[in-house]
Amino acid sequence: GENVEQHPSTLSVQEGDSAVIKCTYSDSASNYFPWYKQELGKRPQLIIDIRSNVGEKKDQRIAVTLNKTAKHFSLHITETQPEDSAVYFCAANGAAGSNYQLIWGAGTKLIIKP
Amino acid sequence: DADVTQTPRNRITKTGKRIMLECSQTKGHDRMYWYRQDPGLGLRLIYYSFDVKDINKGEISDGYSVSRQAQAKFSLSLESAIPNQTALYFCATSETTGAGNTIYFGEGSWLTVV
Repeated sequence: GENVEQHPSTLSVQEGDSAVIKCTYSDSASNYFPWYKQELGKRPQLIIDIRSNVGEKKDQRIAVTLNKTAKHFSLHITETQPEDSAVYFCAANGAAGSNYQLIWGAGTKLIIKP
Repeated sequence: DADVTQTPRNRITKTGKRIMLECSQTKGHDRMYWYRQDPGLGLRLIYYSFDVKDINKGEISDGYSVSRQAQAKFSLSLESAIPNQTALYFCATSETTGAGNTIYFGEGSWLTVV
């Protein structure tokens, strides 16, 4: 079945710098890759997603890139701000046998240093 | 956003006790899920339901059971709680499954088994 690996587990960047979080997946049939943000004490919420027919998608300061050949996708946050501090989860949809349920990465704790 | 409501929000229980976590939603979604979150392990799917008559095991269903009492209600039970079931539990909903399917999480229920 699908397996999703996420790196790094913790990322500390200076405010204003960029942050990049990477995920790899194993099932070449996966075609949907969302990113969720979980602020401290809050629930995870979708921030951006990408489908396999697109190589890149942007939404203001965040972007996601997908490399289907290498089976990896990345979250890019530019001009980081204190409110970007959170845990970020990537996911990929599994196979038909699992009813296409999302398989999640282990999460990346992003720390924005003032 | 109180569209997905979980009760209780916090519970401490003793080993061997039965505990039920309840979830209700006002989003009108057919799909409902129970996830478990542990540090460094991300979100793991326990059970999911496509409608009142459809219940499916997720990747870590052992030791858990669920009941879909109505379209809007999905409860999770631990028949005999054990300490390694100490975790943050999320109920979630979605309109559909597969690509483009946004998952909406509840606020979470902290469960401690002593």
